[in-house]
Amino acid sequence: GENVEQHPSTLSVQEGDSAVIKCTYSDSASNYFPWYKQELGKRPQLIIDIRSNVGEKKDQRIAVTLNKTAKHFSLHITETQPEDSAVYFCAAHQGDSGGYQKVTFGIGTKLQVIP
Amino acid sequence: EPEVTQTPSHQVTQMGQEVILRCVPISNHLYFYWYRQILGQKVEFLVSFYNNEISEKSEIFDDQFSVERPDGSNFTLKIRSTKLEDSAMYFCASIERQGNYGYTFGSGTRLTVV
Repeated sequence: GENVEQHPSTLSVQEGDSAVIKCTYSDSASNYFPWYKQELGKRPQLIIDIRSNVGEKKDQRIAVTLNKTAKHFSLHITETQPEDSAVYFCAAHQGDSGGYQKVTFGIGTKLQVIP
Repeated sequence: EPEVTQTPSHQVTQMGQEVILRCVPISNHLYFYWYRQILGQKVEFLVSFYNNEISEKSEIFDDQFSVERPDGSNFTLKIRSTKLEDSAMYFCASIERQGNYGYTFGSGTRLTVV
């Protein structure tokens, strides 16, 4: 089955600096890669995603890159703010034409932005 | 923005008791999932449900677990005889249609087995 590895497990940055979180996956059939942000005690929320036919996607201060050959994808947060502090999960989907998605999550990265 | 709602938000139960966790997915969503998250750990897949039947289940989803959609709106997870290790946050999630899309997660039910 799919194996998703995520690192680092914890990350502290100064406010205004950039943060990068990396994930690798093992199954070349994975074709969709969302990132979720989970604030303490709350539900995971989708913040950005990328499909396997795209190399990079950006939404304001966050961006995701995908290297299919190397089977890794990364989340980039620029100009970090204290409200970016949360746990971030990556995931890899192996979908089929019938709509069923098999999803594997990374272990999560706890990001702390220091004011 | 449409939400997936879950009840109760927190459930405390004695070991060996049955619990039912309830979820109301977004009305036009077709695919439903249960995940759990043990405190401080990653989100783990339990089961997926489409067209009134289980599509896939993980090794965690043993005979103690069951799901159903009794009335076309609620989506329930039942644990027949709870164990201490079932203590976790349980999230329901749904997606609208075929293809790969990110989940809309519910607010979660924190289950504490004592």
